[in-house]
Amino acid sequence: GAGVSQSPSNKVTEKGKDVELRCDPISGHTALYWYRQSLGQGLEFLIYFQGNSAPDKSGLPSDRFSAERTGGSVSTLTIQRTQQEDSAVYLCASSLEGTSGDTQYFGPGTRLTVL
Amino acid sequence: LAKTTQPISMDSYEGQEVNITCSHNNIATNDYITWYQQFPSQGPRFIIQGYKTKVTNEVASLFIPADRKSSTLSLPRVSLSDTAVYYCLVGATDKLIFGTGTRLQVFP
Repeated sequence: GAGVSQSPSNKVTEKGKDVELRCDPISGHTALYWYRQSLGQGLEFLIYFQGNSAPDKSGLPSDRFSAERTGGSVSTLTIQRTQQEDSAVYLCASSLEGTSGDTQYFGPGTRLTVL
Repeated sequence: LAKTTQPISMDSYEGQEVNITCSHNNIATNDYITWYQQFPSQGPRFIIQGYKTKVTNEVASLFIPADRKSSTLSLPRVSLSDTAVYYCLVGATDKLIFGTGTRLQVFP
């Protein structure tokens, strides 16, 4: 595709429910990143994929958060037993090779609201 | 991990040049310095990137001193549409830290 796409654009869920967020990176980009942005705050790094592998998962806030990437393309971020503090915009980005100096291209984000 | 420090906010008027400085005292040898722009309800957008000295593109200039412990984003002749949050980013690929950013408000 022309850019990074994310779905859904908005998600409202009830506390305790599981949610799955999807990211479609730019075709051919090997690196994929997930960030979280709470209202009025900066971006919080969550996880990075190089191909289908996630070398470092330490940015994930808790074990309720998990992410996977298949076929070196689409990635899903899953939040189990959602809590109100999970409410935020979840942003996905991709880059061509994931090397230092590589430009990241961001998607529009998914706004998650946990009631 | 290279942590960045930027002013929280800046005000300017249309047509003026705006310079936003970012401090990154612990920058590593192989780290690049990248600036992003973010409008409300949108993902960040790449503006410019550099390693040392000066980089210029059609949107901005980036000045990096020899010690690379800081960098300055220069926006020439800003317009109202430049009102946004600007993030300075320094770090290795798998440990990327965005600071709180600088909220630039451009007035008519």
